[in-house]
Amino acid sequence: GIQVEQSPPDLILQEGANSTLRCNFSDSVNNLQWFHQNPWGQLINLFYIPSGTKQNGRLSATTVATERYSLLYISSSQTTDSGVYFCAVVAGETSGSRLTFGEGTQLTVNP
Amino acid sequence: DSGVTQTPKHLITATGQRVTLRCSPRSGDLSVYWYQQSLDQGLQFLIQYYNGEERAKGNILERFSAQQFPDLHSELNLSSLELGDSALYFCASSMGGWANEKLFFGSGTQLSVL
Repeated sequence: GIQVEQSPPDLILQEGANSTLRCNFSDSVNNLQWFHQNPWGQLINLFYIPSGTKQNGRLSATTVATERYSLLYISSSQTTDSGVYFCAVVAGETSGSRLTFGEGTQLTVNP
Repeated sequence: DSGVTQTPKHLITATGQRVTLRCSPRSGDLSVYWYQQSLDQGLQFLIQYYNGEERAKGNILERFSAQQFPDLHSELNLSSLELGDSALYFCASSMGGWANEKLFFGSGTQLSVL
């Protein structure tokens, strides 16, 4: 099956810093989503981005499908950004919408 | 709020027991998915239903079963529970169950098997 690798596994920032999280995938994809899992365990949709670039406030994401990677940018980080960020994909040959998740990036933003 | 409702939020039970987790999808969504999140396995796809029919099956144990009812809510049944079944179980929904759709996740059910 498709492999999803996220880097870095852990990231510690001071409030106000910027960061870039990376997601590499091993095959073509029909679907790519970024999620934030907050400290209460909730999985929150950030972006649906199988290709191209999107922005939402301080967050933006870019997926280069032909090179099989996606980037999540967090600018002017806040303590509420802490949590785990997951990239998840649906492989190109898959029927249905079964997402394969990466192992996540644990982000800690200190005040 | 994603619009996907899961109950209960927490469940504590003993080994060998059986439990049922419930999920109501977002209004208008016909497809429901179940995922398991454990410390050693990460987030794993279990099973998908579309309009009452099983659409795809992942790493779901034989002790686990699921169904989607005519009103589109879904239940995940876990039986003969083992300590290793302790995990956070998520339900997600999407409109048509196709590969290019956005999935919305519920808040999860935290299962603790003692």
